[in-house]
Order: sequence, then C-alpha cells, then structure tokens
Amino acid sequence: NAGVTQTPKFRVLKTGQSMTLLCAQDMNHEYMYWYRQDPGMGLRLIHYSVGEGTTAKGEVPDGYNVSRLKKQNFLLGLESAAPSQTSVYFCASSPPILDTQYFGPGTRLTVL
Amino acid sequence: KQEVTQIPAALSVPEGENLVLNCSFTDSAIYNLQWFRQDPGKGLTSLLLIQSSQREQTSGRLNASLDKSSGRSTLYIAASQPGDSATYLCAVRRSGDYKLSFGAGTTVTVRA
Repeated sequence: NAGVTQTPKFRVLKTGQSMTLLCAQDMNHEYMYWYRQDPGMGLRLIHYSVGEGTTAKGEVPDGYNVSRLKKQNFLLGLESAAPSQTSVYFCASSPPILDTQYFGPGTRLTVL
Repeated sequence: KQEVTQIPAALSVPEGENLVLNCSFTDSAIYNLQWFRQDPGKGLTSLLLIQSSQREQTSGRLNASLDKSSGRSTLYIAASQPGDSATYLCAVRRSGDYKLSFGAGTTVTVRA
C-alpha cells in the first residue's frame, strides 16, 4: 500500500496563477482532509470531505476550492494564487470512525 | 474555539535523558487527543491516540497521559536517542467534530 500520496512535492507560482494539488489514498477511507502548515503555527484545516461527491469548509477555506469526484482522490485548487498562500499543504484520510488520520508527505508551495 | 498550546517550542537534551513534552487545550469537551511525530520535510506519523475516557496510553518508550478536566496532556519519551529528534505535535478532536486542532509543536533535538 502506498498510503496517502500527494502531487506535486514542490511548486513555485507567480501571483495570480492557478494550480491544482492532487491527493490520492489507497486505503478505501471515506474521509479526506486538506491542511496547511505555516511556521510557528499548527496545521489548520482548509476543506474536508466525508465521502465521494461531498465537500465542506474547514477553518481557513478562503481562496481554495476542492473536489472529490472519486473516493480515492481529493483535489485542492487555487484559482488565483496569493503570497499569503505560501505554505506546506498536507492531505490526510481516515475511516469513518474518526480516529487516526493518515497524512501524506506534503506539498511545499511558494507564491512569488 | 479550541486553542492548543505546546510548551516548550524547542528542546535539546543529551542522549539517554527522559523527554517531557507538554500540551494544553482550552475546551475540555474533547473526543480524543493524538500525538504525532513530524520529521523534516515529511508528513505526520501518529504515535499515540488517547480517547477522552482514558487517562494514558503507552507504546514502547512512549507514554502519553491525559487530564481532561485541567486541559492537559503530557508525552514522555524514556531514554531518548538521537533518532527521536523530530517535531512532536499534539492534536485534539472535539466531540462531534471532524476537525483536528493542532498545537504548533515542540522541536526536539537529542544530542549524541
């Protein structure tokens, strides 16, 4: 099992550009999450999904959109990147019993 | 809003010394509390999960305690080794919530 994988690992964008981050999990988990991690702060939830075709806002959703068209994939989109979105983005998944979340290796995004 | 604080932010100890990492949270209505380990440039790995009805969990050299009424958890790592060098994150899930609230972490360096 690969667990949770994220694509790409690194990306540099210019202000105003768009991009999509891909998260894939092979554990058949119902729940998937997108977090961002900034220096000196804990991880903050951006959006999450409790099943295929569903999405919901987390703590810091502004400037991001998500889609869960397939159970194993959760996409995070930035329509018009801003320097404030420079961060490390982590995807996670979990079964419906709401216990341990399994995290991907992260995507380091820099917006110039 | 649940606030999670981890003190100290950084810790350096000689090999063999016991480590004591602290986590405090403001809302005692929690479902569970987790301790994660994060290595540089990597994702998070779950170390221990304590349900709200439990007082402690143990795994090998790791022991985590939970005092829900005072809003505190402590992670003990016995006989530290250089391989224990990492950032340790505490995360709390409130009852009925999908979201994990993370502390900013304690970065541990174990000197050989």
